[in-house]
Amino acid sequence: AQSVTQLGSHVSVSEGALVLLRCNYSSSVPPYLFWYVQYPNQGLQLLLKYTSAATLVKGINGFEAEFKKSETSFHLTKPSAHMSDAAEYFCAVSFQGAQKLVFGQGTRLTINP
Amino acid sequence: GAVVSQHPSRVICKSGTSVKIECRSLDFQATTMFWYRQFPKQSLMLMATSNEGSKATYEQGVEKDKFLINHASLTLSTLTVTSAHPEDSSFYICSATPGPQGHGYTFGSGTRLTVV
Repeated sequence: AQSVTQLGSHVSVSEGALVLLRCNYSSSVPPYLFWYVQYPNQGLQLLLKYTSAATLVKGINGFEAEFKKSETSFHLTKPSAHMSDAAEYFCAVSFQGAQKLVFGQGTRLTINP
Repeated sequence: GAVVSQHPSRVICKSGTSVKIECRSLDFQATTMFWYRQFPKQSLMLMATSNEGSKATYEQGVEKDKFLINHASLTLSTLTVTSAHPEDSSFYICSATPGPQGHGYTFGSGTRLTVV
């Protein structure tokens, strides 16, 4: 079955440290992949997306993600965390042949001063 | 860039009444809009997909008569929660896409519905 999984419901890092949020998908055909960020009581803001072009995708706010077909992964990284990065992050997938987005469970990122 | 406006941002209603939430694409024509529901500290759950000029496609388990969706134009979709009850209290979010898969999905800012 087609699915998307985010490993770790809560990730905590120190300010200035590397941020790594994990996302794996299950599909025989590479899908379109997205990372969104959500601040409390707000909608979702697109960080970046993979649509079968370059496997390393750069997004806003210093985030980037690498599509690895062999690992069926699309992990989100940022070299140096900032306090303003504290939020909920969602990996989402649009599988081939379907328009709708399927969301992962979300990862709450906490930044320690 | 693509902007989706969602109104109201917050609404409180009495049990048994109906509430309408609007989702507008401001600078593009949205052939398809999506409605999601989000419970506290949880992910987004797709409720339905609406295509302009046709009936919405509801996800399994979503009551069509409870959550009425209308997509009468290329820039407006509405979600009406009918005969609302406290268990309908939630955060509702819409999103829109101009068309081709993978092109991009823009989200509204969400509506916090509280039924008292």
